[in-house]
Amino acid sequence: EVELMESGGGLVQPGGSLRLSCVASGFPFSSYAMTWVRQAPGKGLEWVSGISGSGIGTYYADSAKGRFSISRDNSKKTLYLQMNSLRLEDAAVYYCAKGPRAIVAAEHFDYWGPGTLVVVSS
Amino acid sequence: QSVLTQPPSVSGAPGQRVTISCTGGSSNIGTVYDVHWYQHLPGTAPKLLIYGNSNRPSGVPDRFSGSKSGASASLAITGLQAEDEADYYCQSYDSSLSAYVFGTGTKVTVL
Repeated sequence: EVELMESGGGLVQPGGSLRLSCVASGFPFSSYAMTWVRQAPGKGLEWVSGISGSGIGTYYADSAKGRFSISRDNSKKTLYLQMNSLRLEDAAVYYCAKGPRAIVAAEHFDYWGPGTLVVVSS
Repeated sequence: QSVLTQPPSVSGAPGQRVTISCTGGSSNIGTVYDVHWYQHLPGTAPKLLIYGNSNRPSGVPDRFSGSKSGASASLAITGLQAEDEADYYCQSYDSSLSAYVFGTGTKVTVL
């Protein structure tokens, strides 16, 4: 059974940093692309960043470019999102999700985690 | 803001059929990119309902069906059940943004 579990959320001040983690199980982690999606309070889903199964290909939404960095440790079956220079508008529940293939392509996300909450406030 | 537009809410009585529309443009749904649908209960993991416009993953009831025509797509739920009360999102890819895009979301209420 595929399982994804995020952690690392919490309260951070504007301008601060946070690193999110997502531990995967139930599938060959290195064989699949992974992505981060967020949902701000009262808002819809927003794609943040994606990474190929090898970790070589990384992709970012404009809102994340230059501030966020996605990475993965395939030996630990863990996905990361390093978030720097956090803004009030980055407050959201952050979900990790699995892609259907090793590459980041224009496809769907077949499994999601329950999310971790990031609060940005002074 | 979202580039895919959905109605904020739809409702129906148990057993009825409801449809949710998803309208995009020439750089996303209106071109080669497929549409996918998710069911989301607040506080839980979103669940894939439909992928590739009309395909159901294993375990998703056949009460859920999807279609795409031009720059729009639709999700239909037949035989509406109380457990179908949730938020529903469409998703595609946008070549102008070079990004995955989601719809604005639709809350389904079972009367």
